[in-house]
Amino acid sequence: LAKTTQPISMDSYEGQEVNITCSHNNIATNDYITWYQQFPSQGPRFIIQGYKTKVTNEVASLFIPADRKSSTLSLPRVSLSDTAVYYCLVGEPGYSTLTFGKGTMLLVSP
Amino acid sequence: EAGVAQSPRYKIIEKRQSVAFWCNPISGHATLYWYQQILGQGPKLLIQFQNNGVVDDSQLPKDRFSAERLKGVDSTLKIQPAKLEDSAVYLCASSSSLVLTRSSYEQYFGPGTRLTVT
Repeated sequence: LAKTTQPISMDSYEGQEVNITCSHNNIATNDYITWYQQFPSQGPRFIIQGYKTKVTNEVASLFIPADRKSSTLSLPRVSLSDTAVYYCLVGEPGYSTLTFGKGTMLLVSP
Repeated sequence: EAGVAQSPRYKIIEKRQSVAFWCNPISGHATLYWYQQILGQGPKLLIQFQNNGVVDDSQLPKDRFSAERLKGVDSTLKIQPAKLEDSAVYLCASSSSLVLTRSSYEQYFGPGTRLTVT
């Protein structure tokens, strides 16, 4: 399984765009990059998943450069309710199980 | 659609006692997971079921933990006897078998059961 490295914490203000970068230098050819969000006292929630280039949904965008050794989760115009822990995971669905690290604690202030 | 249900939400027991957690996955989801999440850490997979068969239990402490998924729907996770270090949130998640063919890691998590062992 590819090891991931992401910042322990980040601070932002309401209305700003937040970019959380995850490093995964030894990502394998068949690995996908997946992000989860976890609020206090809740289970994690799937946000987005991608393989290369850019993926966008109603919640976030995921940018993956050509070498795939890193990825950036972009949250547009965050609000207080986006305060949560964000996990970056790398693996091959169907072959390897999800391995969560400690994630990035995002704190959004007014 | 209804989400993943878990009970109880909270449980306090003394060490060496036994405890059981229950999970009802999303209807139609063939794959069920149990995770353990210790405070300040990410969830750690304990066991994965595909229907009622075990796919991965490599991180399950089998000397004290057991899990079953009878009839391929509901599941129970048991700890016997509990230790202080078992204090954690136990999360159940499920995913559709179709997910595997779509190359997706999308799992749906329940609210968890917070276990405190004193």
